[in-house]
Amino acid sequence: DGGITQSPKYLFRKEGQNVTLSCEQNLNHDAMYWYRQDPGQGLRLIYYSQIVNDFQKGDIAEGYSVSREKKESFPLTVTSAQKNPTAFYLCASRYRGMAEAFFGQGTRLTVV
Amino acid sequence: KQEVTQIPAALSVPEGENLVLNCSFTDSAIYNLQWFRQDPGKGLTSLLLIQSSQREQTSGRLNASLDKSSGRSTLYIAASQPGDSATYLCAVRPGNQFYFGTGTSLTVIP
Repeated sequence: DGGITQSPKYLFRKEGQNVTLSCEQNLNHDAMYWYRQDPGQGLRLIYYSQIVNDFQKGDIAEGYSVSREKKESFPLTVTSAQKNPTAFYLCASRYRGMAEAFFGQGTRLTVV
Repeated sequence: KQEVTQIPAALSVPEGENLVLNCSFTDSAIYNLQWFRQDPGKGLTSLLLIQSSQREQTSGRLNASLDKSSGRSTLYIAASQPGDSATYLCAVRPGNQFYFGTGTSLTVIP
């Protein structure tokens, strides 16, 4: 089945640690996105990538990093510089030339 | 910067009612508008996509309209069911990014 897979579903981070969230898609989509969702705030864009080896910062990129070494993969690293990382993280993808975006099931990150 | 607003923030209706959810955006220069459904703790499921050149789209009991010039979209749900209970989000795409509203939380009471 084609789709977007995010892992893990739940992730716990200690203060000062870096953690990496995985996003894999087998839809042959060109563009991939990372969003953060906090209660009452809607989705905010962290990073997006239109093609392999290229990505752009979104509205809240500070404290996050990404890579796009393969078309199907767009991992997000939450660094220790991100002071308030507890949130629900959503990955999305879109085929270039097609308008519709598709989302994964999300990763809930909690700082302990 | 594009701002997207959804009203109401929450809505509770008895089963069987028809209802309308509203989405407004500040910049009419968009390629398309997409409506999503989100169940608690889950990702977003695409419901309807309206291209900027279109006025409406329908899927089953759902109908979405778009008035780009006034910066408004509505999602009409006919004959609501308890299974429709979820948060509904709209998003507009003016370029490579999507801009989301904060959503309408819908509860359909049996």
